Order: sequence, then structure tokens, then C-alpha cells
Amino acid sequence: SQQGEEDPQALSIQEGENATMNCSYKTSINNLQWYRQNSGRGLVHLILIRSNEREKHSGRLRVTLDTSKKSSSLLITASRAADTASYFCALPDSNYQLIWGAGTKLIIKP
Amino acid sequence: DGGITQSPKYLFRKEGQNVTLSCEQNLNHDAMYWYRQDPGQGLRLIYYSQIVNDFQKGDIAEGYSVSREKKESFPLTVTSAQKNPTAFYLCATAGPSTDTQYFGPGTRLTVL
Repeated sequence: SQQGEEDPQALSIQEGENATMNCSYKTSINNLQWYRQNSGRGLVHLILIRSNEREKHSGRLRVTLDTSKKSSSLLITASRAADTASYFCALPDSNYQLIWGAGTKLIIKP
Repeated sequence: DGGITQSPKYLFRKEGQNVTLSCEQNLNHDAMYWYRQDPGQGLRLIYYSQIVNDFQKGDIAEGYSVSREKKESFPLTVTSAQKNPTAFYLCATAGPSTDTQYFGPGTRLTVL
């Protein structure tokens, strides 16, 4: 069954450094999405990348998709304290409902 | 969190009680979803509705019930049959022709 698995589970970096997190999946996809969740809050959509796209940017965020390896990565450049959050990838299943990974918990140290 | 409100923010339930979580949206979205999130885990789909007066079970529907009498509202009832209801509950919506979901702020339910 489809499932996104994020790696690493947790990541702690210094402010100003870049943060990279990865998502691997099992079956072919139409698209893959990344969301952010601040502690105790709802999720916020960051980027959607379609299967025919290899890279997408939004501000300090860069998402890549490698369909041959069934993996995606989210890069946050020049990290800030406000980037501290959990980051989730989500993939549509055969019923077009989203399947969520367990997330990467990112901590930015001042 | 946009035009999606969830209430209450915190809810305490005694064992054996049914409780209802509210989700209201003013985004004019057709699709609405209820997810459950346990600590350190991803979201699991409880129920979803693509249109008024219709809804479908998700992966963990047992012990939950929903209704969709209005486009703006999708309340979730956690029944006494749900064995371990303590969790963070998130409501989401999606517009037509879009895969993006928009989330409410969540309700944290604790069973005493």
C-alpha cells in the first residue's frame, strides 16, 4: 500500500544552516505534497510537485522529485527559528485520499 | 488555518460519553475531512465527505460518526465505542480540482 516515509525522524541544526528532509514512497504517484505543522497547530500546505516535475521552488523552499527512485526531498535554505516545526509529505492513494508519513521534526537552534 | 474553525480547542471526556467536535468552513469547499493524529505520528483519515449528505469511511472510522447536512459544517462524534479516543483531531477541506488540503487549528481530546 502507498505510504510516505520521512527521513530523518528528527533534525536539529543551527540557525542559518540548510535543512534537508526526505520522503520515500512505494507506488507510482500523480503528485506529492509537503506540509508544515507547528506544535499543537493545524497543518499548512507548502508545495505540491507533480510527477512530471523534477524541482519546484517557493521562497526558501526547494522540493525535488525523483520518480525513478520514488523519493522526494524538501530543502529549507538559510533556516530561521520560525522554521522549527514538523514537516510531512503526503501522497494520494488509489482513492485520491492523502496518505501521510510520520513526519520530520525540525529544530532550529539559535 | 484560514477559513476553517474547529471547536472546542480542548475537550475532556469521561469514559462512556459521546462527544461532538465541530468543524465549520467558509471557503465554499465541497470536500471535508477528519483526521486523527497521535503523538509523533502522521495523520490517519477517519471520515471524509465530497458533497453534502454524503460521506465515506476512512481508515479508522470505527467508534466515530459524522454528518454533512450543510456544505459549511462537518461535525465528528466520538462515541463510547472508540476505545482509545485521546488524540489530536484535525479537520481539513479541499476545493474542486485541487489536491491541496486546508486545515483547521485542531481539537485536542483527552479522556479522563
